[in-house]
Amino acid sequence: DVKVTQSSRYLVKRTGEKVFLECVQDMDHENMFWYRQDPGLGLRLIYFSYDVKMKEKGDIPEGYSVSREKKERFSLILESASTNQTSMYLCASSPDVAVGSYTFGSGTRLTVV
Amino acid sequence: GQQVMQIPQYQHVQEGEDFTTYCNSSTTLSNIQWYKQRPGGHPVFLIQLVKSGEVKKQKRLTFQFGEAKKNSSLHITATQTTDVGTYFCAVYSGTYKYIFGTGTRLKVLA
Repeated sequence: DVKVTQSSRYLVKRTGEKVFLECVQDMDHENMFWYRQDPGLGLRLIYFSYDVKMKEKGDIPEGYSVSREKKERFSLILESASTNQTSMYLCASSPDVAVGSYTFGSGTRLTVV
Repeated sequence: GQQVMQIPQYQHVQEGEDFTTYCNSSTTLSNIQWYKQRPGGHPVFLIQLVKSGEVKKQKRLTFQFGEAKKNSSLHITATQTTDVGTYFCAVYSGTYKYIFGTGTRLKVLA
């Protein structure tokens, strides 16, 4: 069964901390994505990557960076966590640019205190 | 830029009633995908529609792509409590990614 695995289900971090959210997929997918999900706002794209070492800004990249050193791993980095980054973070991957469906991870609920 | 409107935002139905959610785009679409997210879960891919006027069925779920490829609908016949969740449409933006609608949250009252 294909999988997207996010390293933590729940995280609590302090304001100003550097936070790493890890995502690993075992499907050899080219494309990987980071979303945040907040009530009433749907899924908002933070960053995505269509190849190793390639990254593109999504709709809300401010305060975030990403790293994709290997095809299977896509990391989201909060350089200096703030309370307004408290959210559910979802990682996804897809095999094909135009017609491939997304497979999502289970999500990381991050609370910044 | 491309916009995707999904309506309604919320829907409460009595178990056994039908339910429909609509997805509307400002531009002609190459395809459209539908996802379901159960409460506390993550979005799960349901189906993809590609052709103009296409209709696909999955048990009690009927998916339709408009003739002009600018809108789509998901219809659930005789809802059950297992249908509870948020339904998202997603449209290809043409730049390596899909744009998700804001979702329709369905509550089914037993």
